[in-house]
Amino acid sequence: DAKTTQPNSMESNEEEPVHLPCNHSTISGTDYIHWYRQLPSQGPEYVIHGLTSNVNNRMASLAIAEDRKSSTLILHRATLRDAAVYYCILSVSNNDMRFGAGTRLTVKP
Amino acid sequence: DADVTQTPRNRITKTGKRIMLECSQTKGHDRMYWYRQDPGLGLRLIYYSFDVKDINKGEISDGYSVSRQAQAKFSLSLESAIPNQTALYFCATSDRAPGTGVPDTQYFGPGTRLTVL
Repeated sequence: DAKTTQPNSMESNEEEPVHLPCNHSTISGTDYIHWYRQLPSQGPEYVIHGLTSNVNNRMASLAIAEDRKSSTLILHRATLRDAAVYYCILSVSNNDMRFGAGTRLTVKP
Repeated sequence: DADVTQTPRNRITKTGKRIMLECSQTKGHDRMYWYRQDPGLGLRLIYYSFDVKDINKGEISDGYSVSRQAQAKFSLSLESAIPNQTALYFCATSDRAPGTGVPDTQYFGPGTRLTVL
């Protein structure tokens, strides 16, 4: 199975952009790249997903490398509420979403 | 009201007891899932169901069973609980995404914290 590698933790200052990296060097052509996040004491929530092209939504942007071996989740202006564990996941279908340990993002005021 | 609810939110039980965790959703989704999360780790899929008559094993189904009583309800049972089943359990739902091969978005409940002594 294709796997992802993320830093264990990152810090950011409030109101500054945050770039969360994810490496997935063994990604296959049909794998989608998903990002979910888990706020403290809550279940995970969907952030964004993409296949080949960069994607934007109201929560974040997803930048996908041209060779698809890495991607970056971009929070344009971090708030204290964005402090969470961020998971980068590869999947072909929903029964094959493997959550790793993720990146714990700390946002400093 | 929450779209995906889980009961109970917390449960402490003893080894060998039978435990049922319940999940209900008001999103009208056909697809439902059960995951477990261990401290410091990500989520692992236990079982999933794509409709009322469909049940599938996930990555770690041993020691668990499920029942899909209705479109809106999906229960997880531990027939004889053991301490290494102590974990946080999440239910999730999704609707079929448009297009072939496009993954669904999953919506998670708040979780049930289970402790087996």
